[in-house]
Parts: sequence; C-alpha cells; structure tokens
Amino acid sequence: DAMVIQNPRYQVTQFGKPVTLSCSQTLNHNVMYWYQQKSSQAPKLLFHYYDKDFNNEADTPDNFQSRRPNTSFCFLDIRSPGLGDAAMYLCATSGDSGGLQETQYFGPGTRLLVL
Amino acid sequence: RKEVEQDPGPFNVPEGATVAFNCTYSNSASQSFFWYRQDCRKEPKLLMSVYSSGNEDGRFTAQLNRASQYISLLIRDSKLSDSATYLCVVSTGGSKTIFGAGTRLFVKA
Repeated sequence: DAMVIQNPRYQVTQFGKPVTLSCSQTLNHNVMYWYQQKSSQAPKLLFHYYDKDFNNEADTPDNFQSRRPNTSFCFLDIRSPGLGDAAMYLCATSGDSGGLQETQYFGPGTRLLVL
Repeated sequence: RKEVEQDPGPFNVPEGATVAFNCTYSNSASQSFFWYRQDCRKEPKLLMSVYSSGNEDGRFTAQLNRASQYISLLIRDSKLSDSATYLCVVSTGGSKTIFGAGTRLFVKA
C-alpha cells in the first residue's frame, strides 16, 4: 500500500501559470518535506513542516509556497513557474525522534514540465 | 565547499566485484547519517542508516568516521540489480537534511 502519495505524477504547465502539487501520507508522520530535484543533481530541500510549523530554506525562492491543512496533506504552490522550475518535485515524510533525524519516506514524485 | 560531497562516478564494475563509495560532510555538528538508493526516474529509498559502530546488512556495509567527517558504503558481490545512484544523506538534527549529489553505479554482466 502506498504510504506517501503524490498527485499528479506528471504536470505540464505554461510559463507563469500557477500550479499546485499535492502530497498525502498514511504514516501519520509529523514532518513533511518538499524537495526539488533536477537531472543528475541531488534533491534540494525547499521547505518542511514540523507539525504546523513551517520551515523555509534560506535560498528557496518566494515563488514557491506551501500549505499543510492537516497532518495527512501538504501542498506545493508555484506561483509563477519559470522554465528553470522544470524538475522532479519530491515529497517526503518522517517521524520524530526528539531531534534526531529519522528515515525519510519519499513519494514517487511529480515531474513538472513548463512550456 | 559543498556541505555533503560525493564522487559522482560513474563506477563501472563487473558482477561479483566489491565497490566502495565515500562521502564527506562539512558540519561537525551533524548527527544522523544515511545511504539512500535512487533508481533512474524514481524516488530515493533508504538503503541503510549509518552508525558510529558501523553496520552491515547482507552485502552492504556502512561506516562512519566522525573525526574525519566521512561515511562510506561498501557493496560486496555486486549484482546487476545494484545499478543505481547512491545518495549520501546527512542531518544536523531539527529536520535539517542535506543530500549529496549521488554516486552512479553500473554493474555489468
């Protein structure tokens, strides 16, 4: 059974047209992450939620926003996609070990194409 | 200097070979260490956590050297199915996680 689900698996959008990617989890983990991964590069952390607390990485562009309405769901909003935003977007979750990093479980990713 | 550095490879090895990957990290406050495996166009999946005492899981052995700030992964008796990208992951705690760019491995028949 899928534990971290991402929809859609493939998303095509137009330059400048807002797009939302979604992630849901059945693990009841309190931490959820969004990563951007471009070809042959490492996944780059954009931001994460620790419960409802939002943690933005310093170099994440303002064009990227996120929402977490409840434990199970998390959304990535790209307000005005540019050609450089074409990438695989990975959602991940992890539990809480009192500050120590636990294993992250990744969804299958959404591949975004910007035309 | 990157926070987590890996040799990008690719490593091309024959079946049955032993291959070792190294990864260095810059933050001495790092607390947790992992190796993930990522197949082409798939999501990363945990291969193993890395502990100070070293740990072994079948053909895979991971080691951590805190003094030198590096971790290693050894794969013995390589299989064709081991072909993938191996990602070194380092966490400083508080959910701050850094991925290395990955080392590509090709195992040939």
